[in-house]
Amino acid sequence: ELKVEQNPLFLSMQEGKNYTIYCNYSTTSDRLYWYRQDPGKSLESLFVLLSNGAVKQEGRLMASLDTKARLSTLHITAAVHDLSATYFCAVDNTNAGKSTFGDGTTLTVKP
Amino acid sequence: KAGVTQTPRYLIKTRGQQVTLSCSPISGHRSVSWYQQTPGQGLQFLFEYFSETQRNKGNFPGRFSGRQFSNSRSEMNVSTLELGDSALYLCASSLPPADSYEQYFGPGTRLTVT
Repeated sequence: ELKVEQNPLFLSMQEGKNYTIYCNYSTTSDRLYWYRQDPGKSLESLFVLLSNGAVKQEGRLMASLDTKARLSTLHITAAVHDLSATYFCAVDNTNAGKSTFGDGTTLTVKP
Repeated sequence: KAGVTQTPRYLIKTRGQQVTLSCSPISGHRSVSWYQQTPGQGLQFLFEYFSETQRNKGNFPGRFSGRQFSNSRSEMNVSTLELGDSALYLCASSLPPADSYEQYFGPGTRLTVT
């Protein structure tokens, strides 16, 4: 059974600081996703990572994938308040349907 | 381009009743997946439909069922509702797997069972 673990689950950081969210998964997969969810809202797709060594960046967020270590990271650079949200990673088990999600990391950026 | 739409957005039902939720995917998307989100269990995969066929199903009891129509719209049904079925139900659409893996989520239907 595919398991996806995120850490930390809660993250409070100050504006301007950097931090990394980690996503570990238990079995081989070739697709990893990062999503953002604001309170009471649906999921917004941030990144799709398809191969070992893939790195994608959008604004202050950068995601990377190491399939050998079964690890993805979401790096936040110079955080701003608008980044406060819950971030989920999800991994596809190709033969068992769509994504298995991590528990989410709730990020709070304080001034 | 219109996004994924779900109806209704909010629903209150009583234990033992049944409910049907609807999802209209983005135009041209033929794959629709359903997820349940609860504070305790997080986001869990329910099932996936492609070209009117259920391709995969998550670990949910048979009370949860779904279908997809020829226009790719999808419905899910929950019979004999239980208090634990209270959740946000999200549907997501995507292009055929060979074209794109990215899923686009709808706003969700928040179901409350009393």
